[in-house]
Amino acid sequence: DAGVIQSPRHEVTEMGQEVTLRCKPISGHDYLFWYRQTMMRGLELLIYFNNNVPIDDSGMPEDRFSAKMPNASFSTLKIQPSEPRDSAVYFCASRPGHNYEQYFGPGTRLTVT
Amino acid sequence: AQTVTQSQPEMSVQEAETVTLSCTYDTSENNYYLFWYKQPPSRQMILVIRQEAYKQQNATENRFSVNFQKAAKSFSLKISDSQLGDTAMYFCALYSSNTGKLIFGQGTTLQVKP
Repeated sequence: DAGVIQSPRHEVTEMGQEVTLRCKPISGHDYLFWYRQTMMRGLELLIYFNNNVPIDDSGMPEDRFSAKMPNASFSTLKIQPSEPRDSAVYFCASRPGHNYEQYFGPGTRLTVT
Repeated sequence: AQTVTQSQPEMSVQEAETVTLSCTYDTSENNYYLFWYKQPPSRQMILVIRQEAYKQQNATENRFSVNFQKAAKSFSLKISDSQLGDTAMYFCALYSSNTGKLIFGQGTTLQVKP
């Protein structure tokens, strides 16, 4: 298996622009998680899905952030409009239903100028 | 609320030596899991080892082992025969069966010196 796939690996954008991050979980995994990592706040869970349904989005910082999972093999995290404080590494992770180990993607480094 | 605390922001060890990274946690649940993840400079998060709370036996994966003290809510990671490739940030994490979430500690940066 190729593991969790994220794209792009790097994104540089200007403040006010829309940013879309993409994730393909490991085939057969029922759960998908979006995290944000910064020096100041460490690893924060933004939202997670079970069988494509959002279960807990309490970590989504504000209405500028939205996430979707239209099918079992694809999820997006969108920021509109982006701000410099959104600069971070965004990770996607997935896990199967019978196991609690999460498998992480390589992350997307987002820079908002 | 569940918390995970790693009190050592940075550590260093000589190659081939043994090092122990500390982690304490707090939870009111009986059914939980604990993990150590490694994040090398490539930033990829890699699972190192896991421990089920209901198991008394400490988990071991090659050079990596844990000391799980359930009553003390302590979960330390021991790395034996340290290698240069072990240089990374290490995160302790607690899985909450109530919330379905992984709660991470702040991380410990480990430098293995030649």
